[in-house]
Amino acid sequence: DGGITQSPKYLFRKEGQNVTLSCEQNLNHDAMYWYRQDPGQGLRLIYYSQIVNDFQKGDIAEGYSVSREKKESFPLTVTSAQKNPTAFYLCASSPRGGGQGNEKLFFGSGTQLSVL
Amino acid sequence: RKEVEQDPGPFNVPEGATVAFNCTYSNSASQSFFWYRQDCRKEPKLLMSVYSSGNEDGRFTAQLNRASQYISLLIRDSKLSDSATYLCVVILFSGGYNKLIFGAGTRLAVHP
Repeated sequence: DGGITQSPKYLFRKEGQNVTLSCEQNLNHDAMYWYRQDPGQGLRLIYYSQIVNDFQKGDIAEGYSVSREKKESFPLTVTSAQKNPTAFYLCASSPRGGGQGNEKLFFGSGTQLSVL
Repeated sequence: RKEVEQDPGPFNVPEGATVAFNCTYSNSASQSFFWYRQDCRKEPKLLMSVYSSGNEDGRFTAQLNRASQYISLLIRDSKLSDSATYLCVVILFSGGYNKLIFGAGTRLAVHP
């Protein structure tokens, strides 16, 4: 079955540690996105990528980094510079970019990141 | 003022009830509108698009009012399985590209 796979489902970070969240899709989609969801707030865009080897900062990119070396994969690293990383992280993809998306987004099941 | 605002709820309704949510947006240049459904700690899933002419899908009806800058979602004959958070999503063309803006969501709890 085609879809987006995020791993791990739960992740714990120690202070000063970098952690990487995985996102893989087999939908052959060009565009991929990372969102952060906090209680009482809408999803906020961290980074997005419209094609391989290209990515753009979203609204809250500070403290995060990404890579897009393969079409299928868009990992997100939460660096030690991100002082408030506890949140639910969602990866998404869409067939074409057009910026930050102009059609249906397909979401992964999310990763809950918590700080120890 | 937030770009997209929703009443967080929760809306507690009995099975069979009709319930309506509104979502207001601040930028009149907003182009496209959607409702997503999100179950607790799960991924959001597209429920339906919203058009000026209205859009109906079974028990769900979505409407757009551009003059007053709001969209609505009406659920008729509520089921227990409708319990979820409903996210309003607005697409705005900004800085030369499309930008998706998510509302914080409205929580619906349907009880027996």
